[in-house]
Amino acid sequence: DTGVSQNPRHKITKRGQNVTFRCDPISEHNRLYWYRQTLGQGPEFLTYFQNEAQLEKSRLLSDRFSAERPKGSFSTLEIQRTEQGDSAMYLCASSVQGVNTEAFFGQGTRLTVV
Amino acid sequence: DQQVKQNSPSLSVQEGRISILNCDYTNSMFDYFLWYKKYPAEGPTFLISISSIKDKNEDGRFTVFLNKSAKHLSLHIVPSQPGDSAVYFCAASAVAGGTSYGKLTFGQGTILTVHP
Repeated sequence: DTGVSQNPRHKITKRGQNVTFRCDPISEHNRLYWYRQTLGQGPEFLTYFQNEAQLEKSRLLSDRFSAERPKGSFSTLEIQRTEQGDSAMYLCASSVQGVNTEAFFGQGTRLTVV
Repeated sequence: DQQVKQNSPSLSVQEGRISILNCDYTNSMFDYFLWYKKYPAEGPTFLISISSIKDKNEDGRFTVFLNKSAKHLSLHIVPSQPGDSAVYFCAASAVAGGTSYGKLTFGQGTILTVHP
């Protein structure tokens, strides 16, 4: 199964530490998205890549957050100086380019900041 | 500013009966709507979608209805099965400036429980 893969699945970190998550999209998908989901809420859009270009960033993505997709394949999401409010499920999704195409999600990375 | 709303946090249905999950939206620019299903500790799984040029789309036991004038869509599951028990999310995307990035705006989700 060559679905969207996210690593790690779980991450516990101390407040103030930096963390980095990785997403490997479906190989032929040139669009990649990061979302964040907190308890009782739906996923919220964070950022979007088309190939290696980061084309949109949500205002939710503070300057402590940075995302990259250096070769248009895998992507990383880094959170610097983590805060307890960063605790959430971080979801990556990918899709093919085009109008009205569905996004396929990975299993997510559960971040807990203690 | 909740542009996509699922006003029922939970729904309980007997096996074999119909499950109807509802979703309302406020942004008239939304033109593509999707339903995702999510099990605990997993990412959302795509279920079914509908374009704004249609008012109904069917896939097996799942049917999505879109009422553009009311800005309302619903997902019907017939017959419901215990394995359908999960959280269901409604999502929408918009074409902006002639380009669709596919960015999704999600509702809060509805927990469906199907009892045997």
